[in-house]
Amino acid sequence: QVQLQQSGPGLVKPSQTLSLTCAISGDSVSSNTAAWNWIRQSPSRGLEWLGRTYYRSKWRNDYAVSVKSRITINPDTSKNQFSLHLNSVTPEDAAVYYCARQWGTGNWENRNIDLWGRGTLVTVSS
Amino acid sequence: DIVMTQSPDSLAVSLGERATINCKSSQNVLYSSNNKNYLAWYQQKPGQPPQLLIYWASTRESGVPDRFSGSGSGTDFTLTISSLQAEDVAVYYCQQYYITPYAFGQGTKLEIK
Repeated sequence: QVQLQQSGPGLVKPSQTLSLTCAISGDSVSSNTAAWNWIRQSPSRGLEWLGRTYYRSKWRNDYAVSVKSRITINPDTSKNQFSLHLNSVTPEDAAVYYCARQWGTGNWENRNIDLWGRGTLVTVSS
Repeated sequence: DIVMTQSPDSLAVSLGERATINCKSSQNVLYSSNNKNYLAWYQQKPGQPPQLLIYWASTRESGVPDRFSGSGSGTDFTLTISSLQAEDVAVYYCQQYYITPYAFGQGTKLEIK
């Protein structure tokens, strides 16, 4: 049974960096049948896909344009996890942040999300 | 970017009655090379992450009751709950995964009448 366990601070000061980690059990961050996503949810923006990392012969990343200048999603193969770093946060970045998996057999670029972490509520305040 | 628009924003249906939620994509999400619609439906209950119901527009995820069905192609899609149960009270989202950035609809809140 695959599980995603999120960790990281729930309070971040404005202008600082939001950092969250998603630990994977039952699958591998290096799997070529999966991709690893970060999605956030707020009342004002709804569900917003932020980006993903995945391995297909080499590591690849895709990011939403809205955060592209501020976001980094990194795999950590030694700990079988992946992380989100969002710098220069403002109150508009306050949201519940989810890590999530896409999975599918064969050679694919895009698949539905089939598994979500439980979410981390992040508040941006001094 | 593709924009997903759901209708209605909220819906109240009597127990045992049919519930229908619509989702419109601003661009075609049917991939011609495999004839698959890159459209998923999720259910979200309070305090929980979204849970996958339907993918490829009409394929039920394992364990999802068969009262849930998805239909549509191209840009117009529908989620139908054939006989509403109390446990179906939730917010429902459609999502396109045809191309990044992936996009979700704004959600439809389903309640009991």
